[in-house]
Amino acid sequence: LAKTTQPISMDSYEGQEVNITCSHNNIATNDYITWYQQFPSQGPRFIIQGYKTKVTNEVASLFIPADRKSSTLSLPRVSLSDTAVYYCLVGWGQAGTALIFGKGTTLSVSS
Amino acid sequence: DTGVSQNPRHKITKRGQNVTFRCDPISEHNRLYWYRQTLGQGPEFLTYFQNEAQLEKSRLLSDRFSAERPKGSFSTLEIQRTEQGDSAMYLCASSLGGALGETQYFGPGTRLLVL
Repeated sequence: LAKTTQPISMDSYEGQEVNITCSHNNIATNDYITWYQQFPSQGPRFIIQGYKTKVTNEVASLFIPADRKSSTLSLPRVSLSDTAVYYCLVGWGQAGTALIFGKGTTLSVSS
Repeated sequence: DTGVSQNPRHKITKRGQNVTFRCDPISEHNRLYWYRQTLGQGPEFLTYFQNEAQLEKSRLLSDRFSAERPKGSFSTLEIQRTEQGDSAMYLCASSLGGALGETQYFGPGTRLLVL
């Protein structure tokens, strides 16, 4: 599975837009890009998944450039409750593949 | 609540004891995964089932660890002769296989503390 690199931590204030960029230079043709959110003492929660261009759902947007070597998770107007660890993963070129998590990005939102 | 449940949520045991954890996946999901997470790290893959067949095991899964999914529904993870290094959060995830980009849904985890 492709290795991902993302910032260890980010700080923001309530109401701001937060963009977390993940690089995955070795992404394979069939790999999808998926982001999870994890709060302390809870399991990771699926946020969004995409293959190319832009994907938007009720909580986030995912921007993927044409070369797919990076992706950006965009969280609009964050609140204190968005303080969490965010993981970027690539894979699923073959169904049933285990996820490989890095250390993720710890987002801290302040008032 | 993702629909994946795990029991117990917390377990404290003494070194050398055996422990067993249970995972109930989303009912229609045919794939089930076990992960382990230690403090400050992302989850690490342990093993994976498709229906009742255990298809892949990580090198992290020592001989003291065994997992089963007897009828392709719930799964159990047993750790024999626990060691202090086994202290971690044990996470279960399930997915509906058959397509690229399948999403794994995680349970709340079982936190194990070995004294």
